[in-house]
Amino acid sequence: AQRVTQPEKLLSVFKGAPVELKCNYSYSGSPELFWYVQYSRQRLQLLLRHISRESIKGFTADLNKGETSFHLKKPFAQEEDSAMYYCALRPGTYKYIFGTGTRLKVLA
Amino acid sequence: DTGVSQDPRHKITKRGQNVTFRCDPISEHNRLYWYRQTLGQGPEFLTYFQNEAQLEKSRLLSDRFSAERPKGSFSTLEIQRTEQGDSAMYLCASSTKGPGPEQYFGPGTRLTVT
Repeated sequence: AQRVTQPEKLLSVFKGAPVELKCNYSYSGSPELFWYVQYSRQRLQLLLRHISRESIKGFTADLNKGETSFHLKKPFAQEEDSAMYYCALRPGTYKYIFGTGTRLKVLA
Repeated sequence: DTGVSQDPRHKITKRGQNVTFRCDPISEHNRLYWYRQTLGQGPEFLTYFQNEAQLEKSRLLSDRFSAERPKGSFSTLEIQRTEQGDSAMYLCASSTKGPGPEQYFGPGTRLTVT
């Protein structure tokens, strides 16, 4: 079955600490993977996608096909990073499969 | 263009009533998606349009749900004979063509079925 797992509902870190939001997927083909973010009172928006291999707001994510993971990382968390983060899989069709999300709280 | 818009933003209805939601995508986007999101969950895919053609539909979409995009512009999602389990946030998103397209989401319509 095609699935995205985000094991942590809540992740709290102190400002300046490293952040890693975990995402594992289940799909036998070649996946397209994305991270979406929702800041308080704002719409869901794209943060980054694996095909772009870019760093956005200091965040990076590497696709590891062996471990079927796409973890989101940032070396130094900032308070404005506090938000809900969703990992999403596009399994070769038109639909997207989202994980249940991880709420990141960056403490001062 | 202010992005994807959805109307209404909130809808309270009684069980058994029909409801219709509207989504206006970004004007040059030919792809349109509907999702449902319940508390504590991520968005669940419901259906996808490319221009006016409905190309994919989730098994979550029971016979009570129907979606249209008549001229390839705005879209409507109708729920007939609403049930309490239909209470959720209904999200619309649009995108252009191409690999890994960025979806632009609307603010959502929150449905409460009493």
